[in-house]
Amino acid sequence: IAGITQAPTSQILAAGRRMTLRCTQDMRHNAMYWYRQDLGLGLRLIHYSNTAGTTGKGEVPDGYSVSRANTDDFPLTLASAVPSQTSVYFCASSEQTSGSTTGELFFGEGSRLTVL
Amino acid sequence: GQNIDQPTEMTATEGAIVQINCTYQTSGFNGLFWYQQHAGEAPTFLSYNVLDGLEEKGRFSSFLSRSKGYSYLLLKELQMKDSASYLCAAMDSNYQLIWGAGTKLIIKP
Repeated sequence: IAGITQAPTSQILAAGRRMTLRCTQDMRHNAMYWYRQDLGLGLRLIHYSNTAGTTGKGEVPDGYSVSRANTDDFPLTLASAVPSQTSVYFCASSEQTSGSTTGELFFGEGSRLTVL
Repeated sequence: GQNIDQPTEMTATEGAIVQINCTYQTSGFNGLFWYQQHAGEAPTFLSYNVLDGLEEKGRFSSFLSRSKGYSYLLLKELQMKDSASYLCAAMDSNYQLIWGAGTKLIIKP
């Protein structure tokens, strides 16, 4: 059982480059999320998707975009990377019931991104 | 604004009991989560409380007081493998999670 798979696990990127972090889940969860985790701060939501075909902005969406063409895939794109986007990025999914999300989150193993 | 407070770091001894506190302020409330995160790994779910009281799950228990905006995670019979960060997260009225910065728990032999 794979759960959630993220790629790449680690990447060093020059500022100004475009980068896509991939996320795939095999649990058929409706809701998916992208978080960034920085030292001393809580997980911060970048973008989310409650169901295939819809996306929403989280707490820190600027500089990032997402798409949700199908249930399983939820890629995160940095159009032009900047050093402040150096972070660990976690993709997560959850079941969603009746328009609300009260289920636990399942996380991928994370993607460590360094922007120089 | 919305806020979660939990201690940055705690130290405990193997075999002992430790309580990690969390206070929250959110716009509405739809439950309180605790996650465990070992260094370099993904967070994993530990518990969910939405009603007042204590939920016990093996060596781990979680408590919630909605009137006080307070929760704690209680770990008994500590083992070295319990060394990790423990993340508190409250769900607001929009069903969005507000995360604390995490409590790093260090277990000493």
